[in-house]
Formats: sequence, structure tokens, C-alpha cells
Amino acid sequence: ELKVEQNPLFLSMQEGKNYTIYCNYSTTSDRLYWYRQDPGKSLESLFVLLSNGAVKQEGRLMASLDTKARLSTLHITAAVHDLSATYFCAVVNSGYSTLTFGKGTMLLVSP
Amino acid sequence: DAMVIQNPRYQVTQFGKPVTLSCSQTLNHNVMYWYQQKSSQAPKLLFHYYDKDFNNEADTPDNFQSRRPNTSFCFLDIRSPGLGDAAMYLCATSLQRGGYEQYFGPGTRLTVT
Repeated sequence: ELKVEQNPLFLSMQEGKNYTIYCNYSTTSDRLYWYRQDPGKSLESLFVLLSNGAVKQEGRLMASLDTKARLSTLHITAAVHDLSATYFCAVVNSGYSTLTFGKGTMLLVSP
Repeated sequence: DAMVIQNPRYQVTQFGKPVTLSCSQTLNHNVMYWYQQKSSQAPKLLFHYYDKDFNNEADTPDNFQSRRPNTSFCFLDIRSPGLGDAAMYLCATSLQRGGYEQYFGPGTRLTVT
């Protein structure tokens, strides 16, 4: 059974600081997604990582995937308040074609 | 714009009173998913349709049913809602199975009184 672990589950940052969210998963998969969710809202797709070594960047967020280590990271550079949200990673269950989500990281960026 | 639409956005039902949530899509995707998301938790997949093929998750309670009358529409029926069924229900679609990107609707917030 595929298990997905995110850490930290809660992250309080000051504006301008850098930090990394980690997503580990337990079985082989070659596709991973990062989503953002604002309070009371639905999920917004941020990144699709399709292969080992994949790196995607959008603004202050950069995501990477290491399939050998079964690890993805979401790096935040010079955080701003608008990045405050919950971030989920989701891993494709090979053979089942469904997603297993991590528990999410609640990010709070304060001045 | 192509999109995933959910109705209603907010639904209040009484304990034990059947309720139906609706999802429609203009993306012409083959796969439609229903997730349940409780407060401060990750979305949990209830079931999905690949075309007309229904796939139930092993731990989805029998109280939850789904129908997909055509490509565009999918319904979630809760036969006898309990207080523990209060949650956000998210519909998502993908072009195919096999890990294709899922596109989420805005969700329906269900309250059970």
C-alpha cells in the first residue's frame, strides 16, 4: 500500500525567508503532483513532476522529484504573505491510476 | 472556458435524509472522481468512473453511491447522511487513467444537522 508522508505539517515563516517542504512516499511511482488549497476552497494544481530529476519552478516556488529516493521537495524562496495556504503532494498509485495524498502542510507567512 | 462545475456549493441536510451532489464537466474527460475532505485532512478518494466503469475504493462506506448517466455528469448520493459525513466533497476529472492530471471542481460543502 502506497503511503505518502509530508513534513512539516505546519510551517510558520516570516516574509523573506526560505524553506523546504518534504514529501516522501513508500512505493515506486514516476509521477507526483503538488497542489495548493486556500481555506474553504478547492485544490489548485501547482506542479506535475513526471520523471526522476524533474524540476519545475513558478515564481517563488520550486518543486523537484527524486524517484530513487522516493522524495519530492517544494522549496519556497523569499516567502510572501500570499503564499499562505495548505500545500499537498499527491503520488500516483502505479497500477491503480489513482492518487494518494499527503496530509498537507499548512503554511503561514507573516510579516 | 472548459471546467469542472459542482452544484450546489453549499448543502445542508438533516441526519438520515438522502442527499445528492452533482458534478458536471466540459473537458470531455473520460475519468471522474469523487473525494471527501474533512476539516484539516487530505482528500480521500471515494470512487471513480472510467467511462462507464465504476471503481469503488475498498473502504468507502455503502452509504455512498454514485451515478454517471453520461460523459459530462456524475452524481454522489449519500443515502442516509450521518454527522460524520459532514465534509467538503470534491469532484475531479482526468483525460485518462494512468496518472493523468486531475482537475478539481470548486467543491460542495455538506453540513448535516
